[in-house]
Amino acid sequence: AQSVTQLDSQVPVFEEAPVELRCNYSSSVSVYLFWYVQYPNQGLQLLLKYLSGSTLVKGINGFEAEFNKSQTSFHLRKPSVHISDTAEYFCAVLKSGGSYIPTFGRGTSLIVHP
Amino acid sequence: SQTIHQWPATLVQPVGSPLSLECTVEGTSNPNLYWYRQAAGRGLQLLFYSVGIGQISSEVPQNLSASRPQDRQFILSSKKLLLSDSGFYLCAWTSSGNEQYFGPGTRLTVT
Repeated sequence: AQSVTQLDSQVPVFEEAPVELRCNYSSSVSVYLFWYVQYPNQGLQLLLKYLSGSTLVKGINGFEAEFNKSQTSFHLRKPSVHISDTAEYFCAVLKSGGSYIPTFGRGTSLIVHP
Repeated sequence: SQTIHQWPATLVQPVGSPLSLECTVEGTSNPNLYWYRQAAGRGLQLLFYSVGIGQISSEVPQNLSASRPQDRQFILSSKKLLLSDSGFYLCAWTSSGNEQYFGPGTRLTVT
């Protein structure tokens, strides 16, 4: 079974500052990794995904994440945040090769202050 | 392109009343379909998933049920709502088995 730990429940940051949202996972098999964003009262939207290949993955809205197999991490970064990035961010892991059920972290609330 | 619809968007129901939430997907065929619930300030809880018509798997035993009467239609139901059923209900689909695509959600308040 897989598990996902998002180490910070809330991350406050000032506008135009860099941010890192942390995600660690546990799995005995190969996995795919995802980051989703949820704006208030909306569904989740895919930010980026890692399936294979380059460990640095670029997504929408200027976000990127790096897969680190040795540290079992998939941290999300943005060099300069905007007020509009205020949202809930979810990390998810899916066993590669035929699994239907992803495991989601509990989410990190990113709060961008002016 | 594919789209996913959920309705209603918001719902206020008294305890003990029935529930029916509907989800439909357009632009794809034979998707895997999922129902999740988010309680206030908490993460996602998978309730049901379906890999085909009439095939429903339940992840959490409770007073909710799900049905998939058509390939791209997924319905969440209850005969008698409890206060603890309040939350934000999300439908999602996937076809490749990788990333999920979520609907806009239904906000359910049980009073």
